Amino acid sequence: NAGVTQTPKFQVLKTGQSMTLQCAQDMNHEYMSWYRQDPGMGLRLIHYSVGAGITDQGEVPNGYNVSRSTTEDFPLRLLSAAPSQTSVYFCASSSGTGMYQPQHFGDGTRLSIL
Amino acid sequence: AQSVTQPDIHITVSEGASLELRCNYSYGATPYLFWYVQSPGQGLQLLLKYFSGDTLVQGIKGFEAEFKRSQSSFNLRKPSVHWSDAAEYFCAAWVSSNTGKLIFGQGTTLQVKP
Repeated sequence: NAGVTQTPKFQVLKTGQSMTLQCAQDMNHEYMSWYRQDPGMGLRLIHYSVGAGITDQGEVPNGYNVSRSTTEDFPLRLLSAAPSQTSVYFCASSSGTGMYQPQHFGDGTRLSIL
Repeated sequence: AQSVTQPDIHITVSEGASLELRCNYSYGATPYLFWYVQSPGQGLQLLLKYFSGDTLVQGIKGFEAEFKRSQSSFNLRKPSVHWSDAAEYFCAAWVSSNTGKLIFGQGTTLQVKP
């Protein structure tokens, strides 16, 4: 059982480049989300989705796009990478959309923007 | 503003000693509370959760946490720390059941001395 799979694990980009961080889960979870983790700031929610075709913004959505065409996949797109987006990105999923369900996290994507 | 605060950025304890990690929340109503642990290079793993009922909750790996409404706290404890407990610990709270926004504290890094 793979759980939540994130690819790539590491990536280096130049300022202005675009890229997509992939996230897939095999648990048939309705709820998926993206966080970024920065030193001393914990995890901050970027975007989330409560089901296929439904997405919404979190705390720090600027510079990122998401879509949810299937239950399994929830890619995060950086439109024009900036050094401030250097971070570790985590995808998470949970069953249902309520507060009762714990999040299952991927192992993260470490992204550096030069 | 609604927030989760972990006052201690870094804690060092000796192996076998007891541990308490602090977490305070700032919400109008009682949020749903979680503790997660993150080992280096890994994603987050759920240790325990509090929704309602008994204010002392047991989790995995011998951890427990106590919810104190009067102090707006949800501190994590372990009677005897093992070297393998060295990790970063995050307290988190759900903001709203409809939008499913999980808000994290800044994290506490635990170092265990032999």
